[in-house]
Amino acid sequence: GAVVSQHPSWVICKSGTSVKIECRSLDFQATTMFWYRQFPKQSLMLMATSNEGSKATYEQGVEKDKFLINHASLTLSTLTVTSAHPEDSSFYICSAPGTSRGDTQYFGPGTRLTVL
Amino acid sequence: DAKTTQPPSMDCAEGRAANLPCNHSTISGNEYVYWYRQIHSQGPQYIIHGLKNNETNEMASLIITEDRKSSTLILPHATLRDTAVYYCIVRVGVRGYGQNFVFGPGTRLSVLP
Repeated sequence: GAVVSQHPSWVICKSGTSVKIECRSLDFQATTMFWYRQFPKQSLMLMATSNEGSKATYEQGVEKDKFLINHASLTLSTLTVTSAHPEDSSFYICSAPGTSRGDTQYFGPGTRLTVL
Repeated sequence: DAKTTQPPSMDCAEGRAANLPCNHSTISGNEYVYWYRQIHSQGPQYIIHGLKNNETNEMASLIITEDRKSSTLILPHATLRDTAVYYCIVRVGVRGYGQNFVFGPGTRLSVLP
């Protein structure tokens, strides 16, 4: 099946710094990718939709100036957490839709961000 | 997308079948039932999906009631590695176009030795 990778798998940074997370579709193209955030013991929450060649769309309550999304190509989307603070510490997961029957989604392995 | 209801947790003995129910009484005719699972600190893993017919693959079976208002995911021989949170999601499936999935709290399945 289709594979989505994320890099890095975990990152620790100091408060006030910026962190970039990459999401790649390895064997298929994705004009759309989704970014989710998951806090401990909670379910995944959609943050934004990344669109190749156009601006990302953000869910209500997600600051677009803080979470910068760039869909650079048909296989790469990046999420940059700018001026990170401890409350941004979370598990960030991306996904890309497939093109098979029923339109399944393929999820990356996630990136654990810890802001000190 | 239709709302789903799942029990918050279930236990299953290793080697036995795990039957995870999902209620989706407001499902509409063009909505698929998807099952994903999330093992601790990993991204969600696709298990199976279906529209109205029962489906089976190498991981599991999906039984959808005739009125499509509920479904059951069956793991035929549960192992300790099947311990995870299982999500039942109902959503319109559109080939080649992406829409995000809305995750509820899911069912936390614990497979016991």
